[in-house]
Amino acid sequence: DIQMTQSPSSLSASVGDRVTITCRASQGISNFLAWYQQKPGKVPKLLIYVASTLQSGVPSRFSGSGSGTDFTLTISSLQPEDVATYYCQKYNSAPFTFGPGTKVDIK
Amino acid sequence: EVQLLESGGGLVQPGGSLRLSCAASGFTFNSYAMSWVRQAPGKGLEWVSAISGSGDTPYYGDSVKGRFTISRDNSKKTLYLQMNSLRAEDTAVYYCAKSPSGSYYMAYFDYWGQGTLVTVSS
Repeated sequence: DIQMTQSPSSLSASVGDRVTITCRASQGISNFLAWYQQKPGKVPKLLIYVASTLQSGVPSRFSGSGSGTDFTLTISSLQPEDVATYYCQKYNSAPFTFGPGTKVDIK
Repeated sequence: EVQLLESGGGLVQPGGSLRLSCAASGFTFNSYAMSWVRQAPGKGLEWVSAISGSGDTPYYGDSVKGRFTISRDNSKKTLYLQMNSLRAEDTAVYYCAKSPSGSYYMAYFDYWGQGTLVTVSS
């Protein structure tokens, strides 16, 4: 099975900073990758699918890129409401594995 | 408005069984694949199982294969997860989640339920 890794596992940044999270697949998955945001105590929320398509209603400061094995989620200007754990997920084929998550907080 | 409402969680002894349900509304249920995703306390998300809109070709994660069975009743707009031979490591919040396609081609999750807690303990 394809394994998903994320880096870093956690980060602390200042409001307004540009934040980048990396997701790596152990084998190529084309662009079958989604990103989710889970705020503390809340249900996960879809941010991005097909590696770079923003889900309706998601702020434009979020963006995704990548294809094959290496992907990134970027927050162009970190806001206090972006404190959350971010997960990538592969869906090219079952199992539809999630990455281990990246916890983002405010410095 | 899409709504997914899980039920059936609770405390069960190791080796026991439990059936989770997810009642769907606000969309044409039989047109969309559905999944169960779980989250152990303080841990990350783990995909558990998926079923297509028509109910054929279910898939399972390795950790539950042979113990859990996913099914759906499209006439009742309800998704199920039958969990047998439960272990302590199955303790988690179980979410049902909707995919934006009836097949697995778009097996990401655009809507999630609020989750139901399953605790496996003696």
